[in-house]
Amino acid sequence: GDSVTQMEGPVTLSEEAFLTINCTYTATGYPSLFWYVQYPGEGLQLLLKATKADDKGSNKGFEATYRKETTSFHLEKGSVQVSDSAVYFCALSDPTDSWGKLQFGAGTQVVVTP
Amino acid sequence: NAGVTQTPKFRVLKTGQSMTLLCAQDMNHEYMYWYRQDPGMGLRLIHYSVGEGTTAKGEVPDGYNVSRLKKQNFLLGLESAAPSQTSVYFCASSPPAIVSEQYFGPGTRLTVT
Repeated sequence: GDSVTQMEGPVTLSEEAFLTINCTYTATGYPSLFWYVQYPGEGLQLLLKATKADDKGSNKGFEATYRKETTSFHLEKGSVQVSDSAVYFCALSDPTDSWGKLQFGAGTQVVVTP
Repeated sequence: NAGVTQTPKFRVLKTGQSMTLLCAQDMNHEYMYWYRQDPGMGLRLIHYSVGEGTTAKGEVPDGYNVSRLKKQNFLLGLESAAPSQTSVYFCASSPPAIVSEQYFGPGTRLTVT
């Protein structure tokens, strides 16, 4: 079945550092790809998405590009802030699934220090 | 506009006890979902509903039941709690037009002793 693999955390960075979180997927078709973020004590929020190969999703300074040839959707941000400390989840959905079920990765905790 | 709310926020149960978690959304979404979140495993889908009166099993449905009597509410029940059901439970909802963009509640932390 479909699956998502993320790099393990925690990832600890200093403020203004460059952040990359690796995400690769296995799917039989052409999934839609998502990054969700979970801030401490809160539920998940959609951060960005991409629905086809070479699409780039972006939001709040974060970017991720849908790479079909490497089955990847790595998340990047050029200069992180303390407020970016959170758990980041990569997820996919099968666009032929009418019910929108999401398959999540295990999550990567990011800690940004001042 | 409260979005997705969950009741209660925390609960401790003894093995064998029962309880119901309530999820409510005020966005008029058709689809609703229950997930559990465990360390190192991400979120796993328990049950979902595509409309009032309809429910379906997700990836890990055993030991749980659900009901969707009203469009805005989705209830998750544990009839006989087990320590393996210690987890954080999240409810989510989405509109039918963009089903994969789900809106999540703040979660319920359940401990079964």
